[in-house]
Amino acid sequence: SQTIHQWPATLVQPVGSPLSLECTVEGTSNPNLYWYRQAAGRGLQLLFYSVGIGQISSEVPQNLSASRPQDRQFILSSKKLLLSDSGFYLCAWNPGREYNEQFFGPGTRLTVL
Amino acid sequence: GQNIDQPTEMTATEGAIVQINCTYQTSGFNGLFWYQQHAGEAPTFLSYNVLDGLEEKGRFSSFLSRSKGYSYLLLKELQMKDSASYLCAAMDSNYQLIWGAGTKLIIKP
Repeated sequence: SQTIHQWPATLVQPVGSPLSLECTVEGTSNPNLYWYRQAAGRGLQLLFYSVGIGQISSEVPQNLSASRPQDRQFILSSKKLLLSDSGFYLCAWNPGREYNEQFFGPGTRLTVL
Repeated sequence: GQNIDQPTEMTATEGAIVQINCTYQTSGFNGLFWYQQHAGEAPTFLSYNVLDGLEEKGRFSSFLSRSKGYSYLLLKELQMKDSASYLCAAMDSNYQLIWGAGTKLIIKP
């Protein structure tokens, strides 16, 4: 069966510090991968998605970046965090067929102080 | 633009029935998803509709009207564990999900 992992689970970082969140998927190959952010009481905002190694599409221009160095690994990064980067970051995958639902990882709660 | 509307919060009684509505406007349409999200946890998939009509899955049912840009999630025989946020998401012509802000459902004994 397929599983998706995210770490860390929680993170408290000062403004201006760097960020690296990691997501890995097991039990599947060539998945579509997604990074979302959810602010308190808000819907999910798609940040990046990837249909293959090295292929990243950015939905929202901001100080975040994403990389996919391996088929089942998706990394979200920032060089300098802003207060507005606080939120619940969710990684998701689907098998790549357009109509399939997305499966979410456990999420990372990021607080920027 | 693309938009999803759903009520912010609803309250219902244990054992009762509740209907959560969702209206959507998207560039193209490739289906409507409902997810459940407990506080502090990731969303989990509940249902997918792409054709008009009602899909029933146990205590949960989902309805879609493509001509009206409207869907609802129906929860029967409510249990305390159903207290959660329910997210509506429409898939656009690029197969990207457009998410609503979620409806927080509070179940009272």
